[in-house]
Amino acid sequence: TQLLEQSPQFLSIQEGENLTVYCNSSSVFSSLQWYRQEPGEGPVLLVTVVTGGEVKKLKRLTFQFGDARKDSSLHITAAQPGDTGLYLCADDYGQNFVFGPGTRLSVLP
Amino acid sequence: SQTIHQWPATLVQPVGSPLSLECTVEGTSNPNLYWYRQAAGRGLQLLFYSVGIGQISSEVPQNLSASRPQDRQFILSSKKLLLSDSGFYLCAWRNGLAGELFFGEGSRLTVL
Repeated sequence: TQLLEQSPQFLSIQEGENLTVYCNSSSVFSSLQWYRQEPGEGPVLLVTVVTGGEVKKLKRLTFQFGDARKDSSLHITAAQPGDTGLYLCADDYGQNFVFGPGTRLSVLP
Repeated sequence: SQTIHQWPATLVQPVGSPLSLECTVEGTSNPNLYWYRQAAGRGLQLLFYSVGIGQISSEVPQNLSASRPQDRQFILSSKKLLLSDSGFYLCAWRNGLAGELFFGEGSRLTVL
């Protein structure tokens, strides 16, 4: 059974700071997705990465996929209060999805 | 455009009472449908998924059940709720076996 770990579990920073959160898998990812969830809402897809070593940028967010396709990082530059939420990584393998426990980010103004 | 809707949004139920949560999708045909449960502030646990009418796969044995009576309708049920059933229940859909999962607004269940 695949296990996803995310770190840190909680992160509280000031507006304007940079941060990185991590996702690690006990086995190779089929297809890695990152989601953000705001309180009381469903998660929303941020990015999908498939190829080892892949780097994708979404405005101030940079996603990296490890060469061995077993780990990933999400870097946020100049964090804003609107970035606050639960960041979830997930492995998409066919009919099933496995989600990590998430990193809860709080950006203080 | 496609939309997904869940109801009720909030539910408070006594232990031992029944449960029915409903999810409907509009604007697409033959979606794959999913029920997830999320404990407070934590990740998502897959409960059930369905690839077609009447086809239900269960990921976690428990006192919950799911049904798909129509192509775009997915129902989560229980005959007798337990305290441990409390949580945030999310319905999701997607087309095919790859790509983005689209989530509903969620249903918050508190069992007292």
